Amino acid sequence: GAVVSQHPSRVICKSGTSVKIECRSLDFQATTMFWYRQFPKQSLMLMATSNEGSKATYEQGVEKDKFLINHASLTLSTLTVTSAHPEDSSFYICSARPLVAGHSYEQYFGPGTRLTVT
Amino acid sequence: RKEVEQDPGPFNVPEGATVAFNCTYSNSASQSFFWYRQDCRKEPKLLMSVYSSGNEDGRFTAQLNRASQYISLLIRDSKLSDSATYLCVVNHGDYKLSFGAGTTVTVRA
Repeated sequence: GAVVSQHPSRVICKSGTSVKIECRSLDFQATTMFWYRQFPKQSLMLMATSNEGSKATYEQGVEKDKFLINHASLTLSTLTVTSAHPEDSSFYICSARPLVAGHSYEQYFGPGTRLTVT
Repeated sequence: RKEVEQDPGPFNVPEGATVAFNCTYSNSASQSFFWYRQDCRKEPKLLMSVYSSGNEDGRFTAQLNRASQYISLLIRDSKLSDSATYLCVVNHGDYKLSFGAGTTVTVRA
C-alpha cells in the first residue's frame, strides 16, 4: 500500500516551454501533497504544499506564477513549470500525506521527475 | 544555520561492519523524526521513525537525544545493499518535513 506515482519520470524540454508533472496517490486518498526539488548532492527542498480544493502554499523564494500547482482531487496534484529555463533543470519529487484520523507526519514519495531544460 | 545538518560522509565500511552517524536539528520544537534512505537518482523511502526511547528495526537502531538535539542511526552487520544516502528528516508539527543533505554510506565486499 501507500504507492505514489509520478508522470513523466523524465522530460527534456526547450527553454521557454511549459512542462506539467502529475503526482497520483494510487491506493489511498491524500489530503495534502507536497512538491520538492532536489539539485545534485543537495537535500530535498520543499517548494509548496498543496491541499485538495484550495490554493497551494508556496515556500519563501518559490515563484507561484512560475510553478503552478493544481490539486483537483484527493488523489491527484499537478505541478506546471511555466516558461522553463535551464536553471529549472532539477529532480522534482512529490509526496502525499494519507487522509487519516489523528496525527500522522509520514509522507510517501513519488519516484520523481527529472527535468532537463535545454 | 541549516535546520537539519548531517555529516555528508562518505562512510566506507566493509561488509559485516557497524557504522553509525548523527544528525543535528536546530528547532527545539521539532516533534517527529525519521530516517529515510535514498538510492542514487531515486526517491526517498522511509527507513524508520525515531522515537524518544530509541528504537530498533532489525539491524538498524535509531536514537533521539532531545536535550542535545541530535538523532543517530546505527547499522549493524552491514550488507552491500545498505549502500545508499541516509536522510535525516524532522517535522515541526505542521506536517512539513525538513531534510538533511544526507550521509552517504558505501559498503564494500
